[in-house]
Amino acid sequence: DAGVIQSPRHEVTEMGQEVTLRCKPISGHNSLFWYRQTMMRGLELLIYFNNNVPIDDSGMPEDRFSAKMPNASFSTLKIQPSEPRDSAVYFCASSLGADYNSPLHFGNGTRLTVT
Amino acid sequence: KQEVTQIPAALSVPEGENLVLNCSFTDSAIYNLQWFRQDPGKGLTSLLLIQSSQREQTSGRLNASLDKSSGRSTLYIAASQPGDSATYLCAVLSNDYKLSFGAGTTVTVRA
Repeated sequence: DAGVIQSPRHEVTEMGQEVTLRCKPISGHNSLFWYRQTMMRGLELLIYFNNNVPIDDSGMPEDRFSAKMPNASFSTLKIQPSEPRDSAVYFCASSLGADYNSPLHFGNGTRLTVT
Repeated sequence: KQEVTQIPAALSVPEGENLVLNCSFTDSAIYNLQWFRQDPGKGLTSLLLIQSSQREQTSGRLNASLDKSSGRSTLYIAASQPGDSATYLCAVLSNDYKLSFGAGTTVTVRA
């Protein structure tokens, strides 16, 4: 079991540029979550998918953020245009969504720095 | 809105001492509570998950208790080791299926 795989591990970009973060969930997991972690706000849920369908995107900060899950093994989180306040660690997590008592498995995150 | 609080924010103990980490939440209508460990530069690793109908869960040196009515959970780590140094976060899954995280307790175990 390779776990949840995220890429890239680090991303440094200039304000105004488009950023795409990628996630491969654990095979067989049908729920996928995108979180953002900062010192000030802790862990915040941005969006989650169940069976590739977005269920709750109320945590997406604004229209500059978008997420897709074209199939069960891949998801992207895109920020366009990026701003310095988007700098954070972005985590992807997956679980067996049919069972809400299934634990979450996190990737190692993407550290985004927007200058 | 569910609020999750972890006290203390940081803890330093000598090796061999037992650790007690506290988590409190404001809304007792929960589905489950999870304890996670986060190492620097890494993601979160699930340690224990307690369902709302359970009072505790155990895994090796770790034991977590849940008192849903009072909105509290405690994570006990017996005979701490330097390798236990990390940040420990609790997360509550409310009945609306939203997962709320505490800010974490950063633990340092001194050799």
